Amino acid sequence: NAGVTQTPKFQVLKTGQSMTLQCAQDMNHNSMYWYRQDPGMGLRLIYYSASEGTTDKGEVPNGYNVSRLNKREFSLRLESAAPSQTSVYFCASSEMSSTLITDTQYFGPGTRLTVL
Amino acid sequence: DQQVKQNSPSLSVQEGRISILNCDYTNSMFDYFLWYKKYPAEGPTFLISISSIKDKNEDGRFTVFLNKSAKHLSLHIVPSQPGDSAVYFCAASDKVTGGGNKLTFGTGTQLKVEL
Repeated sequence: NAGVTQTPKFQVLKTGQSMTLQCAQDMNHNSMYWYRQDPGMGLRLIYYSASEGTTDKGEVPNGYNVSRLNKREFSLRLESAAPSQTSVYFCASSEMSSTLITDTQYFGPGTRLTVL
Repeated sequence: DQQVKQNSPSLSVQEGRISILNCDYTNSMFDYFLWYKKYPAEGPTFLISISSIKDKNEDGRFTVFLNKSAKHLSLHIVPSQPGDSAVYFCAASDKVTGGGNKLTFGTGTQLKVEL
């Protein structure tokens, strides 16, 4: 049981290049999320998918697109990378707990992206 | 405007003593609060949570207190151990229509537990 996996672990891009960050979860969770973490800041939500077939913008969606490919996979695409997108990107998934009012989100190990 | 604030970027305590990490929030609509722990080069891992209708939740060495009138919560770790050294993030939850929840994170507190 791998939990949430992300590929690649590291990536260096030049300004204007495009790339897709991949995320997969094997916990059969309905909801998935993409966050970015910058120095001195907490994690900020980029996009989320409440369930398969739906996606919505989070706090910082500009410059990104997402695809919920199936229940397991949620990808994040940078169409034209900019230096301001240099960050660590985390994917998460969640499922409502029978004992809690809210979901608990489980995070992947992150992708460290540098845009030159 | 930051809705979840952790005003102490770092905290150092001795092994065996109590660690107290603080968090303030501004949005009274948050219905759940969570603490995550993060080691370098890893993703955050869930530690403990509390509903907005409770004022205390305990799990082993970890206790979270919520003061709704002050919009303040704190995480107590007793006794602190060297393995607790990590960055701790406070997060507040908003439920999403259709399932899932949106988390708003604080900026984190680096806890160092010294021998």
